Amino acid sequence: AQRVTQPEKLLSVFKGAPVELKCNYSYSGSPELFWYVQYSRQRLQLLLRHISRESIKGFTADLNKGETSFHLKKPFAQEEDSAMYYCAPWADTGRRALTFGSGTRLQVQP
Amino acid sequence: EPEVTQTPSHQVTQMGQEVILRCVPISNHLYFYWYRQILGQKVEFLVSFYNNEISEKSEIFDDQFSVERPDGSNFTLKIRSTKLEDSAMYFCASSSLDGAVAEAFFGQGTRLTVV
Repeated sequence: AQRVTQPEKLLSVFKGAPVELKCNYSYSGSPELFWYVQYSRQRLQLLLRHISRESIKGFTADLNKGETSFHLKKPFAQEEDSAMYYCAPWADTGRRALTFGSGTRLQVQP
Repeated sequence: EPEVTQTPSHQVTQMGQEVILRCVPISNHLYFYWYRQILGQKVEFLVSFYNNEISEKSEIFDDQFSVERPDGSNFTLKIRSTKLEDSAMYFCASSSLDGAVAEAFFGQGTRLTVV
């Protein structure tokens, strides 16, 4: 079965600490992978996608096909990074829509 | 910057009633989606819509649900005979191309409360 797993419901770090939000997927084919973010009282928005290999707001995510992971990382967390983060694969077989993980709430404390 | 707009922001309805959730996607977008998020749970795919027809739907999207693009700008989700468990946040999204290629833009959501 196709599945995406975000094992941590809550990740709390201090400002300036490194952050790693975990995402593991189990998908047939070669999924496109995305991270979406939802700041408090705002809409879901795209943070980054693996194919573009960009760094957005200091976040990066590397696709590791061997480990089937797409962890989101930032070397120095900022308070404004506090939000819900969703890993979302888009498979090229089966359902052609985003499938969201359960999400991780990142809390950056001052 | 263009946005996906959803109305109302909050809808309270009695169990058994029908509700229509409205969305105005970004104007040049071609692909439309509905998702829902029950409080404390993950965002779940309901349905995708392209070229005036449903292209895919999840197991959640049963006969109780229907979608329509009545006038070329609105994209609606109708829920017939609402149940308590339909209470959730409903998100509309649109993209200019197949979402594997283009970013999906989300609305701010409609909170549906069934009492």
